[in-house]
Amino acid sequence: DTAVSQTPKYLVTQMGNDKSIKCEQNLGHDTMYWYKQDSKKFLKIMFSYNNKELIINETVPNRFSPKSPDKAHLNLHINSLELGDSAVYFCASSQDPAGGGETQYFGPGTRLLVL
Amino acid sequence: GESVGLHLPTLSVQEGDNSIINCAYSNSASDYFIWYKQESGKGPQFIIDIRSNMDKRQGQRVTVLLNKTVKHLSLQIAATQPGDSAVYFCAERKSGTYKYIFGTGTRLKVLA
Repeated sequence: DTAVSQTPKYLVTQMGNDKSIKCEQNLGHDTMYWYKQDSKKFLKIMFSYNNKELIINETVPNRFSPKSPDKAHLNLHINSLELGDSAVYFCASSQDPAGGGETQYFGPGTRLLVL
Repeated sequence: GESVGLHLPTLSVQEGDNSIINCAYSNSASDYFIWYKQESGKGPQFIIDIRSNMDKRQGQRVTVLLNKTVKHLSLQIAATQPGDSAVYFCAERKSGTYKYIFGTGTRLKVLA
């Protein structure tokens, strides 16, 4: 019954590695998002996709590459991981905000620790 | 909506009292506002929303007040319960955009 799911829940890796985080939603939503939450709990949007098209790309290093194979999935691939990438990454989805569907549903988060 | 300080602002209230959590939003063009609750180890969860054509909206035990003049949003929780302990975020969005801007969270601690 999980609406927005993410895998893995925890990810511990070495600097310089490449890793991916996966997100799936079963709500039939058109829009999906990636957020980064830092150690101070500050939440910042990174990317947003609407119907598999990238619509928001917020000043994120190009080491981060989102991919949306279909409307229900939005994955995040990170190359050459750095210490500063350590954070909690949240996936979210909503109906198309342009159509009035603004409520976002968040996944449980992926806790990334780069050593 | 930028994070300030080293520590999350904390509001401590006695169980049964009312809580008021405040938020200053950044964009006068924003016309949709949301409050989220984030429990430890979980993702943010929608509580209540309000559009800019309203000043007040009530839900179950929660009320959101919007003051556009001073760009201020507040969340009132009636009869605060231990299960209300969490970090609360406000978020704003401008119509026609997909970008949600989150405010600095406030940690609510409910004292027994």
